[in-house]
Amino acid sequence: DQQVKQNSPSLSVQEGRISILNCDYTNSMFDYFLWYKKYPAEGPTFLISISSIKDKNEDGRFTVFLNKSAKHLSLHIVPSQPGDSAVYFCAASVPSGNTPLVFGKGTRLSVIA
Amino acid sequence: GAVVSQHPSWVICKSGTSVKIECRSLDFQATTMFWYRQFPKQSLMLMATSNEGSKATYEQGVEKDKFLINHASLTLSTLTVTSAHPEDSSFYICSAPLAGNEQYFGPGTRLTVT
Repeated sequence: DQQVKQNSPSLSVQEGRISILNCDYTNSMFDYFLWYKKYPAEGPTFLISISSIKDKNEDGRFTVFLNKSAKHLSLHIVPSQPGDSAVYFCAASVPSGNTPLVFGKGTRLSVIA
Repeated sequence: GAVVSQHPSWVICKSGTSVKIECRSLDFQATTMFWYRQFPKQSLMLMATSNEGSKATYEQGVEKDKFLINHASLTLSTLTVTSAHPEDSSFYICSAPLAGNEQYFGPGTRLTVT
C-alpha cells in the first residue's frame, strides 16, 4: 500500500521552461510534506517543504503547492536549469515529532540545454 | 545547515562477512536516527528507527538479527549487516531529524556483497 505516489517516473524539460513534478498521497494524517533532490550514489538533499496549514511555499526558483482536498502536491521549478537534473522524491510525515518520512518512488527530471 | 555523515561511502565485502556502517550527526544531537535502503530505481524504504539508549524499532520484513543497530551516543548510530549475502547489496542511507519534521540525510553507503 503506497501512501505517497509519484506516478511519473521521469520528466524531460527544456532549459528555461517550467518543471512540474507531481505527488499524491492517501494518508489524511500526513501534515508535513517535503521534496528532496537526489543525485546517483548520494544521499537526498532537502529542497523545500510545506505544512498542511499552507497551500503554497516558495523558495527562489522552487515552489511547492498543496491541495489538501485532492491530497495532491506539486513542485514547480522555474526556470529549469541543467543542474536541476536529478531524481526528486516527495516525502510526507505525520504530526508526531521524530517520525520517519514516507517517500514516493521518485521522478527523474532531465533538463535539456 | 545540519550535517550528517556516513562511513564508509562504499564497501565491497564477501558473502558471509559482516559490515558496519556508521552514521554521525556532526553539529547536532540526534536521539533518533532512521536507516533507509534504496534499491536501484526504487524509493527509499525505511528499515528501522534507531533510538539512543534503547532498542531500535524495525519495520516489518526487516530482520533485526541480520541488521544490527546500535545508537550508543547522541551523535552516532551504527548499522551492522551480519552474514551479508549478495541480495543485501544496496544503497544504505541514514537520516536524523533536527527540528520538527525536517530530516537531514547522510551521503549514503553503497554496499556490494560478492
